[in-house]
Amino acid sequence: DIQMTQSPSLLSASVGDRVTLSCKASQNIYKYLNWYQQKLGEAPKLLIYYTNSLQTGIPSRFSGSGSGTDYTLTISSLQPEDVATYFCQQYNSWPWTFGGGTKLELK
Amino acid sequence: EVKLVESGGGLVQPGRSLKLSCAASGFSFNDYWMGWVRQAPGKGLEWIGEINQDSSTINYTPSLKDKFTISRDNAQNTLYLQMSKLGSEDTAIYYCASGGIPGYFDYWGQGVMVTVSS
Repeated sequence: DIQMTQSPSLLSASVGDRVTLSCKASQNIYKYLNWYQQKLGEAPKLLIYYTNSLQTGIPSRFSGSGSGTDYTLTISSLQPEDVATYFCQQYNSWPWTFGGGTKLELK
Repeated sequence: EVKLVESGGGLVQPGRSLKLSCAASGFSFNDYWMGWVRQAPGKGLEWIGEINQDSSTINYTPSLKDKFTISRDNAQNTLYLQMSKLGSEDTAIYYCASGGIPGYFDYWGQGVMVTVSS
């Protein structure tokens, strides 16, 4: 199975900050990488698919990048409603696997 | 509006079986892949498996394939997850999800809690 490692596990930032979350795969996943946002008590929501494609209805302050084994989710200007846990997920090779998550909180 | 509503969860004794359902509406169910994902309390997400439009392809995470069976009824717009020989490690919220291609699941249900305990 492909292992997905996210860092940091906890991130504190202020409103308006530019925030970068990292996700590293144990092998090349050829950009088959999704990002999800999960707020407390809610189901995951797809934000970004295929590394950098913004899901319909997701604010443009969210963006994704990366290739090979290293991927990044960036929030250009953090908003209070962005407090959540973020998960990356690879879909290059079955079984699809998720990273352990980055919990984003307000400073 | 796309809606996925899971049901069938609850408290179940160790070693018993349970069948979850996911009722879909607001989209053409038989055109989409469907999947199940679970999340143990306070933990991360784990894929259980996925099924294609006509049930000809069903993929299971290898470590879970002996415990779970995924099926669908396109006439009833419903996805199922049959779970057997449940243990405490299966205590989790179970989510169903839909998507256009394998691995890309853009709609998720609200989840249903399964608690395995005596």
